[in-house]
Amino acid sequence: GAGVSQSPSNKVTEKGKDVELRCDPISGHTALYWYRQSLGQGLEFLIYFQGNSAPDKSGLPSDRFSAERTGGSVSTLTIQRTQQEDSAVYLCASSLLAGGQETQYFGPGTRLLVL
Amino acid sequence: GQNIDQPTEMTATEGAIVQINCTYQTSGFNGLFWYQQHAGEAPTFLSYNVLDGLEEKGRFSSFLSRSKGYSYLLLKELQMKDSASYLCAVRDRGSYIPTFGRGTSLIVHP
Repeated sequence: GAGVSQSPSNKVTEKGKDVELRCDPISGHTALYWYRQSLGQGLEFLIYFQGNSAPDKSGLPSDRFSAERTGGSVSTLTIQRTQQEDSAVYLCASSLLAGGQETQYFGPGTRLLVL
Repeated sequence: GQNIDQPTEMTATEGAIVQINCTYQTSGFNGLFWYQQHAGEAPTFLSYNVLDGLEEKGRFSSFLSRSKGYSYLLLKELQMKDSASYLCAVRDRGSYIPTFGRGTSLIVHP
């Protein structure tokens, strides 16, 4: 079946503009994660959705970042008033808890460049 | 939270064996993951360890010692396509969110 998809694949924007990044998880996966990865850095956790539970927003770096997940499926990550330090690859992953081994499947990412 | 440490870069020869180490410090433990990430691509799952010991999957094996806060990924019969970054990620007890290390860049040369 189809994997995790993300759009757009690349986004160039000007400082101060808002951007929306979209993630389509694997059908049936209840958990969805957003990470960002800067050049040469590890994955930085941003936000986690699990079913209908309240999301874990503990990784969001500032109040300019927000995310929602509609109908337990598609998720949108919004960055308001973008800054140059927001430039990174934004990765989405989904997972289905199976016997305790929660394998995350990653999307291809959105490469965001803020000029 | 966790403190995860991996070597930044390693090099190895095609056909050889390489061991990539990962050490971690955590207040509780709920699993350790290894991922492979080729340049410009998303990470792909390699292995998951929650109990001590060695898990073998073809050319790749992963080892865990919870008492030592230590894991390694063993790659045998290295191929050029194994050149990639290898990410170690640890999950705290009671959490579903893995924390990732910075990754080890493996370069396989002929």
